[in-house]
Amino acid sequence: KNEVEQSPQNLTAQEGEFITINCSYSVGISALHWLQQHPGGGIVSLFMLSSGKKKHGRLIATINIQEKHSSLHITASHPRDSAVYICAVDGGSNYKLTFGKGTLLTVNP
Amino acid sequence: KAGVTQTPRYLIKTRGQQVTLSCSPISGHRSVSWYQQTPGQGLQFLFEYFSETQRNKGNFPGRFSGRQFSNSRSEMNVSTLELGDSALYLCASRQTGAPETQYFGPGTRLLVL
Repeated sequence: KNEVEQSPQNLTAQEGEFITINCSYSVGISALHWLQQHPGGGIVSLFMLSSGKKKHGRLIATINIQEKHSSLHITASHPRDSAVYICAVDGGSNYKLTFGKGTLLTVNP
Repeated sequence: KAGVTQTPRYLIKTRGQQVTLSCSPISGHRSVSWYQQTPGQGLQFLFEYFSETQRNKGNFPGRFSGRQFSNSRSEMNVSTLELGDSALYLCASRQTGAPETQYFGPGTRLLVL
């Protein structure tokens, strides 16, 4: 079993829909990162969480440390949100990120 | 501030050759991490450097090595290239290496023939 599991692997939505991507992990962590990767490779960090909830524009990320689970929500999705979203856990003192396999999101107009 | 830069952006090598990739972190960032991304395995941690010291290494063979210079620039080297080393190699920098946002470079796409 992978240390970081994401679901779903693929997600297709219509513009305007509410999107949820889930991430579960099985190891102790200091923080959890949500990353976005567009075709062509560039990775952008969206959020880093160690507890609670963060919001940036239409994106919301939550984490439940006790349940070892995090969610990324996109409200009012738009075709420009189409990308791969990757969850990564930060081991803290081992200076290492462990990644989920990613969720390919396609938002159709 | 300039972002993380990586050179070269694209590289084609043949089996058995060696390759050196370079990463310049954001000014003031002392931690540099390297990652390999392939379609089959996704993103995997290679190693992390802070102030010229390797603090952790991922589960990769000894053919993969790296170093960091006093100006925080980092290089990674792969010797005796294999077909399976074809991948996107990404570096990321952060200020101290403590849990904090990592800033990724554009990557070097390596093709081994």
